[in-house]
Amino acid sequence: DADVTQTPRNRITKTGKRIMLECSQTKGHDRMYWYRQDPGLGLRLIYYSFDVKDINKGEISDGYSVSRQAQAKFSLSLESAIPNQTALYFCATGSQLGTGELFFGEGSRLTVL
Amino acid sequence: QKEVEQNSGPLSVPEGAIASLNCTYSDRGSQSFFWYRQYSGKSPELIMFIYSNGDKEDGRFTAQLNKASQYVSLLIRDSQPSDSATYLCAVRAGNTGKLIFGQGTTLQV
Repeated sequence: DADVTQTPRNRITKTGKRIMLECSQTKGHDRMYWYRQDPGLGLRLIYYSFDVKDINKGEISDGYSVSRQAQAKFSLSLESAIPNQTALYFCATGSQLGTGELFFGEGSRLTVL
Repeated sequence: QKEVEQNSGPLSVPEGAIASLNCTYSDRGSQSFFWYRQYSGKSPELIMFIYSNGDKEDGRFTAQLNKASQYVSLLIRDSQPSDSATYLCAVRAGNTGKLIFGQGTTLQV
């Protein structure tokens, strides 16, 4: 089983719908991140969390919200999806005690029609 | 100016040649630098990290860091077709724990 698991892996939805992407990890890491990837734009940070009570906005948080339900779970919500939120979304984890390396989930491909 | 910049490519090199991938960053307080490889449709995977000025070698890969010039590079020796991928440069600023990525360079071998 993957150390960082994202669900769903693929989702097609319509404009205006609420969508939740979930991430869970078994690595025991304290830090969790949500990134978005668009062609030619690399990975852009949406939100990150250093522990359950610490949530921070990234570069592109508008239109998104997050919830850190437990140390191992971090979910990303799109309250009212729009077509330009069509992208590949990655969850990542890291440890304060580590090298700074992030470990990525397999990605969730979201299409908003 | 983007915080982390890479030439998006594609960079095309013949098999067996050296591929040189470059990255510049804007925050002088950056402390840690990472190179990730990403195959199409897959998640990024770490190749190397570097903290100190100079070179760091791991097999066919060498990371080079010049903090004065705010420049980090990745050399791939004896390039193989399996090295064809997008290479992402990432920078961690200070003690924030945030990793900021460049747009990636596509390498074709």
